[in-house]
Amino acid sequence: GENVEQHPSTLSVQEGDSAVIKCTYSDSASNYFPWYKQELGKGPQLIIDIRSNVGEKKDQRIAVTLNKTAKHFSLHITETQPEDSAVYFCAATLYSSASKIIFGSGTRLSIRP
Amino acid sequence: DGGITQSPKYLFRKEGQNVTLSCEQNLNHDAMYWYRQDPGQGLRLIYYSQIVNDFQKGDIAEGYSVSREKKESFPLTVTSAQKNPTAFYLCASSIDPLGEQYFGPGTRLTVT
Repeated sequence: GENVEQHPSTLSVQEGDSAVIKCTYSDSASNYFPWYKQELGKGPQLIIDIRSNVGEKKDQRIAVTLNKTAKHFSLHITETQPEDSAVYFCAATLYSSASKIIFGSGTRLSIRP
Repeated sequence: DGGITQSPKYLFRKEGQNVTLSCEQNLNHDAMYWYRQDPGQGLRLIYYSQIVNDFQKGDIAEGYSVSREKKESFPLTVTSAQKNPTAFYLCASSIDPLGEQYFGPGTRLTVT
């Protein structure tokens, strides 16, 4: 069925290093790709999103890249800080069965001091 | 102060009892959603509603029921038919089904 695959499920990086989380999607009609951050005990919050008419978008230390041909997109966090520790979810619009957004399975990012 | 609220934050019930989780939003959003999150797992869609008086089953609707009588409110009832109800439940809303979703703080339900 239509889904979004996210890797890795857990990621540990040294403070100051970069972190990369990757997602692939199956619906070729998908055109909106948001990323959410969920801190412990809270609901997810949107941190950055990208639409299919652009290949990259940056916001300070975070960036998202999109490859529509390969149907994959990635989240890049540079100069990681302790407050970046959280669970990150990618998502994509789904049109084939119903118009909605579907989420990846999440990546638990830990920043080592 | 606009937002989406869920209450209570923690809820405890005995097995065999139905329980209703509250979700309210004052963002004037048409679409609302319920997700279930288990430890170390992603977000699984239970039910969603694109407009008042209409709702659709998500991927794991069995044992749950919802209503959408008002735009602002989308309560979720966890029935005794739900085999494994203990989980973290998240409610969300969006302007439309393909827009940014705003999540509530969640309700942690424990059934013993």
